[in-house]
Amino acid sequence: GEDVEQSLFLSVREGDSSVINCTYTDSSSTYLYWYKQEPGAGLQLLTYIFSNMDMKQDQRLTVLLNKKDKHLSLRIADTQTGDSAIYFCAEWYRREGYNKLIFGAGTRLAVHP
Amino acid sequence: NAGVTQTPKFQVLKTGQSMTLQCAQDMNHEYMSWYRQDPGMGLRLIHYSVGAGITDQGEVPNGYNVSRSTTEDFPLRLLLAAPSQTSVYFCASSATSISYEQYFGPGTRLTVT
Repeated sequence: GEDVEQSLFLSVREGDSSVINCTYTDSSSTYLYWYKQEPGAGLQLLTYIFSNMDMKQDQRLTVLLNKKDKHLSLRIADTQTGDSAIYFCAEWYRREGYNKLIFGAGTRLAVHP
Repeated sequence: NAGVTQTPKFQVLKTGQSMTLQCAQDMNHEYMSWYRQDPGMGLRLIHYSVGAGITDQGEVPNGYNVSRSTTEDFPLRLLLAAPSQTSVYFCASSATSISYEQYFGPGTRLTVT
């Protein structure tokens, strides 16, 4: 089946690292994504990782993929108040003539002083 | 490029009314899709289109119609609005049906009373 799960809430102190976790079920997923949604705004693609990679780093963001356990994580170093948002994990579900993103419910990240 | 645009940004409807949510993209993308976002449920695919003249159902198509007469536009129609359709609606596009990078519009917040 298709399912992406993530915890709903994370609270961190400004300057600390945040780690948002996600598990997915479709082992054939080729791409996995992290989207950010700020209040009242649309979805912004933060980063993605191809399934043959274990890690991807982009400035303060580090994505780790454990394909065996179907576990994806997003680490934000030196978390700032501007990082407060909902973060969605998504997997690329592709079948013949049909493709879609399957989203988790989103993790709300709250950054406090 | 304006990217993916959606109108209106907000809408309130009474039960039984009909309306059309507009979506347009200026990137000459073949693939367009509609998602709805509900609290605690992530985003779910409503309908998608792999090119002008071709549409198909996603996972939650009931109560919605779509058409794709041009490459640029992909309107979503609610024929008889119901309170269960209260949601935030996102339109997305990608270059082709197998492109892994999707671009999202800013969303339409719809309330049905």
